[in-house]
Amino acid sequence: NAGVMQNPRHLVRRRGQEARLRCSPMKGHSHVYWYRQLPEEGLKFMVYLQKENIIDESGMPKERFSAEFPKEGPSILRIQQVVRGDSAAYFCASSPQQGTGNTIYFGEGSWLTVV
Amino acid sequence: KNEVEQSPQNLTAQEGEFITINCSYSVGISALHWLQQHPGGGIVSLFMLSSGKKKHGRLIATINIQEKHSSLHITASHPRDSAVYICAALNTGNQFYFGTGTSLTVIP
Repeated sequence: NAGVMQNPRHLVRRRGQEARLRCSPMKGHSHVYWYRQLPEEGLKFMVYLQKENIIDESGMPKERFSAEFPKEGPSILRIQQVVRGDSAAYFCASSPQQGTGNTIYFGEGSWLTVV
Repeated sequence: KNEVEQSPQNLTAQEGEFITINCSYSVGISALHWLQQHPGGGIVSLFMLSSGKKKHGRLIATINIQEKHSSLHITASHPRDSAVYICAALNTGNQFYFGTGTSLTVIP
């Protein structure tokens, strides 16, 4: 009974490197959401994706960040040329479909540390 | 001003006490979630509410749509309830607005 799976759980990158965070939604879920939790701050929405489509990326920083959810495989959140301010916990969540009445399931999170 | 406001920010209680965490929101919602986050750990959705009241074990969540207010109650609190509790309002576009969280510590 796999829930939302995120990996890696912890990732250390040097400034300027790339970080790739993966999220496998629950079985049967076609909607994926990424959130960021900066140290001492609350969760912030980043992006909402369906298979092969970005539905809402209003929370994504304009540069260096991108997300995809291909037809096959996990959703990927990619951060290019990381900076110290990117250090945060990144949470993925999934739901079966859009609309009311659907609960949402969170992954355990991926902690990115930029040194 | 945040779309979702929670209070209190921090709460310390003695084991066995009744606990209430409040949440007010200003956006139109399709549902409201109460989430639990343990230190260094993941996030669990405790409740999803669109009206009325739900109960799960010692946890009770209520929502008043007209007043745009929700509460999370914990009866007979226990040290294992110590966590951050987050109110999250889900709008009709499936976007969440999160409160900043209430850090609860229950002392034995």
